[in-house]
Amino acid sequence: SQQGEEDPQALSIQEGENATMNCSYKTSINNLQWYRQNSGRGLVHLILIRSNEREKHSGRLRVTLDTSKKSSSLLITASRAADTASYFCAPTGTGGFKTIFGAGTRLFVKA
Amino acid sequence: EAGVAQSPRYKIIEKRQSVAFWCNPISGHATLYWYQQILGQGPKLLIQFQNNGVVDDSQLPKDRFSAERLKGVDSTLKIQPAKLEDSAVYLCASSLGLGSLGNEQFFGPGTRLTVL
Repeated sequence: SQQGEEDPQALSIQEGENATMNCSYKTSINNLQWYRQNSGRGLVHLILIRSNEREKHSGRLRVTLDTSKKSSSLLITASRAADTASYFCAPTGTGGFKTIFGAGTRLFVKA
Repeated sequence: EAGVAQSPRYKIIEKRQSVAFWCNPISGHATLYWYQQILGQGPKLLIQFQNNGVVDDSQLPKDRFSAERLKGVDSTLKIQPAKLEDSAVYLCASSLGLGSLGNEQFFGPGTRLTVL
């Protein structure tokens, strides 16, 4: 299955610190996406990284992908209280049509 | 650009009753997804449409759940009869296409279903 498994399950940090979340998957992928979910804005797409890319940036977000290890990481720099949310990785299999969400990492940023 | 619309936002029913949810995707998005999200878990894909054809419904409990996407635009998801374990948030999402055609998903606000 190409379902992502996030690690850690929960993370608590102080505002201003960096937060790193990891995702592992088991089969070859077309791309891998990260999403964020909080009570205010629902589930929102953050970033997509393709299988031939190794790193991608978007604002304070940095995503890496290591296809040899079948893993990805999401780094949020200079975290804010507003970053408090659940973060999900969602790999898409090489068939290109099936994207499976993991159980998520719950991030809590203390002000 | 208007987002994904869902209705109703909340629904409370008793077990064995029927319920239907409606979704209107972003204009021009060919792919539509229905997810079930139980509290504390990630979204679980129930069914995925490409235009008005089903791409994947392997996790849809077909004895009680049904979904359709007539004319490749709006979609409805029905549960008949509902069970207590169906209590969850039902999310609809849409994307331009599949895989390399652009499968970033845009989600609606969800329908919170409570089965008593």
